Amino acid sequence: KAGVTQTPRYLIKTRGQQVTLSCSPISGHRSVSWYQQTPGQGLQFLFEYFSETQRNKGNFPGRFSGRQFSNSRSEMNVSTLELGDSALYLCASSWGSSVNTEAFFGQGTRLTVV
Amino acid sequence: DAKTTQPNSMESNEEEPVHLPCNHSAISGTDYIHWYRQLPSQGPEYVIHGLTSNVNNRMASLAIAEDRKSSTLILHRATLRDAAVYYCILRRDGNKLVFGAGTILRVKS
Repeated sequence: KAGVTQTPRYLIKTRGQQVTLSCSPISGHRSVSWYQQTPGQGLQFLFEYFSETQRNKGNFPGRFSGRQFSNSRSEMNVSTLELGDSALYLCASSWGSSVNTEAFFGQGTRLTVV
Repeated sequence: DAKTTQPNSMESNEEEPVHLPCNHSAISGTDYIHWYRQLPSQGPEYVIHGLTSNVNNRMASLAIAEDRKSSTLILHRATLRDAAVYYCILRRDGNKLVFGAGTILRVKS
């Protein structure tokens, strides 16, 4: 069974631009969550989507947004990029949205803002 | 978000058992205890989770204190591939995982 796939793996963008990252969950999984990992702040929760609805949102500015499609694939968008948005962005998929389920992570997208 | 406390780092010899502790004194009755690990240059990987009883799987064992205020992840025979950051997480809110700093496990050959 294929794992969680994130594309692209690496991205370099200029300050002020916007970026879209993609995540394909494991087949049959309906929940997709996004995380940001930086050396200073560690792993931080961005948001969760379940059956195309945002279920939960972390403490990030409105420049960070996401969506989920009917096939459970998800995208996250960051507008008006800032240098501080440089990070590893990780996607995780789960079968359900219960606290009793495990999450499977992708390899991440490394975003560098210059 | 419920807080957990873990040692910053631990060291183990290869082929020996490793006990990684986690304190979570503010745990509520419905919080599940989850452990994830992150190997270098990879996304986090699920290890094990439990509610009240001790749990075993092919990767590790989870020992949960009777009062649930602490737990221990047990790797029965550490290998070099187990060198990673280990995160103890209390899950109470859907699929939102709140990661702390974790424990850096170093394995010596």
